[in-house]
Amino acid sequence: DGGITQSPKYLFRKEGQNVTLSCEQNLNHDAMYWYRQDPGQGLRLIYYSQIVNDFQKGDIAEGYSVSREKKESFPLTVTSAQKNPTAFYLCASSEDRRRGYTFGSGTRLTVV
Amino acid sequence: QQQVKQSPQSLIVQKGGISIINCAYENTAFDYFPWYQQFPGKGPALLIAIRPDVSEKKEGRFTISFNKSAKQFSLHIMDSQPGDSATYFCAARRSNDYKLSFGAGTTVTVRA
Repeated sequence: DGGITQSPKYLFRKEGQNVTLSCEQNLNHDAMYWYRQDPGQGLRLIYYSQIVNDFQKGDIAEGYSVSREKKESFPLTVTSAQKNPTAFYLCASSEDRRRGYTFGSGTRLTVV
Repeated sequence: QQQVKQSPQSLIVQKGGISIINCAYENTAFDYFPWYQQFPGKGPALLIAIRPDVSEKKEGRFTISFNKSAKQFSLHIMDSQPGDSATYFCAARRSNDYKLSFGAGTTVTVRA
């Protein structure tokens, strides 16, 4: 079955440590996205990529980094510069500009 | 600045009732308007979508109404069921863009 796989589902890290969230898709979609979700704040765009080896900052990119070396993969690194990293992180992909997103099941990151 | 404004933030409806969620936008370049349904701890899933060349689209108990002149669109959930209890997000996309702009979300609770 085609879809988006995010791993791990739950992640705990100590404050000051970098952590990388995995996102893999087998839908052959060109574009991929990372969103952050906090209670009552909806979905906020962190980074997105329309093609391999290219990505753009979203609305809240500070403290995050990404790479897009393969079409199938779009990992997100939450760096120690991110002041409030505890959140639910969602990865998504889309085939083209005429269709909606397919979302992964999310990673809940807790920094202690 | 949120490009899509969604209301209400939450609503409670009795089983069998109608749930109505409203969204408004300013950017007339938007030409794709999807709705997403999200259950707790899961990623959002595409529910139904509409383009501005139609005023209404129905899929089962879910209907989108679109008013291009007022720059508003709404989701109606007919015969609401407890299984419809979820958070619903409206979104919009410009024709020359991959990214979706999301509303802040509406938490719907259907009481049995």
